[in-house]
Amino acid sequence: DGGITQSPKYLFRKEGQNVTLSCEQNLNHDAMYWYRQDPGQGLRLIYYSQIVNDFQKGDIAEGYSVSREKKESFPLTVTSAQKNPTAFYLCASRVMDGNTIYFGEGSWLTVV
Amino acid sequence: AQSVTQPDIHITVSEGASLELRCNYSYGATPYLFWYVQSPGQGLQLLLKYFSGDTLVQGIKGFEAEFKRSQSSFNLRKPSVHWSDAAEYFCAVGARAQAGGYNKLIFGAGTRLAVHP
Repeated sequence: DGGITQSPKYLFRKEGQNVTLSCEQNLNHDAMYWYRQDPGQGLRLIYYSQIVNDFQKGDIAEGYSVSREKKESFPLTVTSAQKNPTAFYLCASRVMDGNTIYFGEGSWLTVV
Repeated sequence: AQSVTQPDIHITVSEGASLELRCNYSYGATPYLFWYVQSPGQGLQLLLKYFSGDTLVQGIKGFEAEFKRSQSSFNLRKPSVHWSDAAEYFCAVGARAQAGGYNKLIFGAGTRLAVHP
């Protein structure tokens, strides 16, 4: 089936460890996005990428890093520099000349 | 910079009642406008979108929204709410890019809808 796959769905990490969230899409979409969701704050954009090997910072990029080595993959690394990493993370994608962003099912990250 | 305001954090309606969720945006031109719905712990599903043309747009699940330029609003409506509509609803705007389309979406804080039987 076509879609956006995020893994893992649930992840627990100790404070100070880096963690990488996977996002893969088989929709042949050009652009990919990472959003963070906290209760009462809606979705905030972390990073986005419109083409392979290029990406831009969103509104809350500090403490995060991404790569876009393949069109279908856009992994997000939550580094130890991120002050409050516990959140729900959503990956999304769209065709560049298309107008709708489609979302994955999300990944829950808990840092203890 | 563009921004999105959803003034109502929580709304409770009775099943069968009508619904209106408010969305106001701040942007100099006409943005791309979206409404998404999210069930707990899930991703977002697109309900409807507006880019240009007819200001009343129809979406899935019986929802509609009306773009009002003079009020910078894009309110979501449904004439008769079902218990399965209980969820969180997000309004989003995309600023038009020079090359056409938009680059990213900015989301409102969301409105959580509860439906009483």
